[in-house]
Amino acid sequence: ETGVTQTPRHLVMGMTNKKSLKCEQHLGHNAMYWYKQSAKKPLELMFVYNFKEQTENNSVPSRFSPECPNSSHLFLHLHTLQPEDSALYLCASSQVSRGGNQPQHFGDGTRLSIL
Amino acid sequence: QKEVEQNSGPLSVPEGAIASLNCTYSDRGSQSFFWYRQYSGKSPELIMSIYSNGDKEDGRFTAQLNKASQYVSLLIRDSQPSDSATYLCAAFFGNEKLTFGTGTRLTIIP
Repeated sequence: ETGVTQTPRHLVMGMTNKKSLKCEQHLGHNAMYWYKQSAKKPLELMFVYNFKEQTENNSVPSRFSPECPNSSHLFLHLHTLQPEDSALYLCASSQVSRGGNQPQHFGDGTRLSIL
Repeated sequence: QKEVEQNSGPLSVPEGAIASLNCTYSDRGSQSFFWYRQYSGKSPELIMSIYSNGDKEDGRFTAQLNKASQYVSLLIRDSQPSDSATYLCAAFFGNEKLTFGTGTRLTIIP
């Protein structure tokens, strides 16, 4: 069973809806990430939170709004999305330290479809 | 733009043979490299990390790193049908930004 849990697993929404994706990590990590995975494209980093502080916003449109209330939970709030936003959204966590770059561990993702 | 390049495949390998997956990266300063396996409809799963030049072995998997050539590879010995998946190469550019390649789709033929 994965140490990173994402809900829901599947989400279908209209362009005018508002929904939220949830991620929880049980690994004691201090950094969390949102990625977008579209067909035939590399994983795209969207947001990075390190010790609950956002340290990276990779030019993501404002219709995606992240929230990190603590180092174990991460949300992605969605509103007025476009059809091209349909993709697999992956949450990941890692332990960030001065000693080096530790690998990221992924949740199972939310498959998002925009009608 | 800092990039990780992989051949998208598909790569077909007979069962029991060695599968060889290759990856190049653009940032000479990268120090940390990872191979992830992703089954269809599933999330990426970390299978190997490598930080130093040379080979690192873990069971049937061997990762090879050549920093001078900016080249990382993954060898899978005694390939099994369960190894059929997409393999993602990733490298750290900077302290937190893990950059992924597009992945190589591997099919093991029974």
